[in-house]
Amino acid sequence: DIQMTQSPSSLSASVGDRVTITCRASQSISKHLNWYQQKAGKAPKLLISAASTLQRGVPSRFSGAGSGTDFTLTISSLQPDDFATYYCQESFNVRAWTFGQGTKVEVK
Amino acid sequence: EVQLVESGGGLVQPGGSLRLSCSASGFTVNTNYMSWVRQTPGKGLEWVSIIFAGGETYYADSVKGRFSISRQKSNNTLYLQMNSLRPEDTAVYYCVRVIIAIGTNDAGRWFDPWGQGTVVTVSS
Repeated sequence: DIQMTQSPSSLSASVGDRVTITCRASQSISKHLNWYQQKAGKAPKLLISAASTLQRGVPSRFSGAGSGTDFTLTISSLQPDDFATYYCQESFNVRAWTFGQGTKVEVK
Repeated sequence: EVQLVESGGGLVQPGGSLRLSCSASGFTVNTNYMSWVRQTPGKGLEWVSIIFAGGETYYADSVKGRFSISRQKSNNTLYLQMNSLRPEDTAVYYCVRVIIAIGTNDAGRWFDPWGQGTVVTVSS
């Protein structure tokens, strides 16, 4: 099975900060990597698919990059609505899927 | 509007059974890949099961032999039959549609949308 290592597990940041979250796969997954945002008490919401494709309606301050085993999610200028938990997900094998452990973005 | 609504969660004793339902609107369950994902405070998000448009099914090792995914065309609903439940199955269970995109720049597969989740508690 593919293992996903996401870091950091949490971070504290201020509005306006640039934030970067990293996800590493245990084997090459090409660009089969998605990012989700989850707010407290809500279901996860898809932000970025195929490593770098921003979903419709997602602000352009979010961006994704990477291929192979190393991926990043960047928020260029953190906004109050962005304080949440972020998860990466590999989708290399459609018969089995793995999520990262999550990164909680908190107010500094 | 594409929407998923889960139901059927609740409190069940270890060894018991429960059937979760996921009612879909805005698209047809039978012609899509569909999946279940669960979330526990301690283990985060865990993929549980998937059913392909053609009917093939796959399960996480943690639930194989105990859980069964199925769908019903007449009421556009996805199901998860959970048997021999254990305390570690306690979680919020989400129903998701699986998008399979074929192309050059943005090919891939992902979960969208997600239902609101239903809580399953396994405890005596």
